[in-house]
Amino acid sequence: AQRVTQPEKLLSVFKGAPVELKCNYSYSGSPELFWYVQYSRQRLQLLLRHISRESIKGFTADLNKGETSFHLKKPFAQEEDSAMYYCASRGSNYKLTFGKGTLLTVNP
Amino acid sequence: IAGITQAPTSQILAAGRRMTLRCTQDMRHNAMYWYRQDLGLGLRLIHYSNTAGTTGKGEVPDGYSVSRANTDDFPLTLASAVPSQTSVYFCASSPLNRGENTGELFFGEGSRLTVL
Repeated sequence: AQRVTQPEKLLSVFKGAPVELKCNYSYSGSPELFWYVQYSRQRLQLLLRHISRESIKGFTADLNKGETSFHLKKPFAQEEDSAMYYCASRGSNYKLTFGKGTLLTVNP
Repeated sequence: IAGITQAPTSQILAAGRRMTLRCTQDMRHNAMYWYRQDLGLGLRLIHYSNTAGTTGKGEVPDGYSVSRANTDDFPLTLASAVPSQTSVYFCASSPLNRGENTGELFFGEGSRLTVL
């Protein structure tokens, strides 16, 4: 069974500081990993996926198979980054399994 | 605007009552999902459907039922609501067609349900 672990429920940083949201996964096959974001009063939306190897809104995430991790990073946090972030994995059954989420607060 | 529409946006319900949360999508996606979002527990899959006419159980299916009579609609029914079903419910859809199957889920705005 798939499992996604986000160890931090809450993360608070100051504007301009680096931010890293941790995500570890447990899956025996080759998972697809995603980060979803939910801004205040907005619907949940895809931020980025590991297959694309892209940077969205300054965020990047690298899949580390050795450590089974997919941490989300941004070198300089902005106040508008404050949101709930969910890491998710998809297995061969096409269903997404989400972590419990990390609420990021970026203070001015 | 194309996407997913959920109704109602908010509802207060007495325990024991029957409730159906509606979900409609106009993107012709094969797959649809129902998740519940609870503080500290994240998003948990209740039921899913990979194509019209088929449904499957997710992580927390007890007390809920779904149907998928056509591509666009995926209602979630609570036959006899209990207070532990107080939550925010999200419907989502995803294309599973070859070439579109990126894994991205498109979410509705959620339905906040309170069971007293």
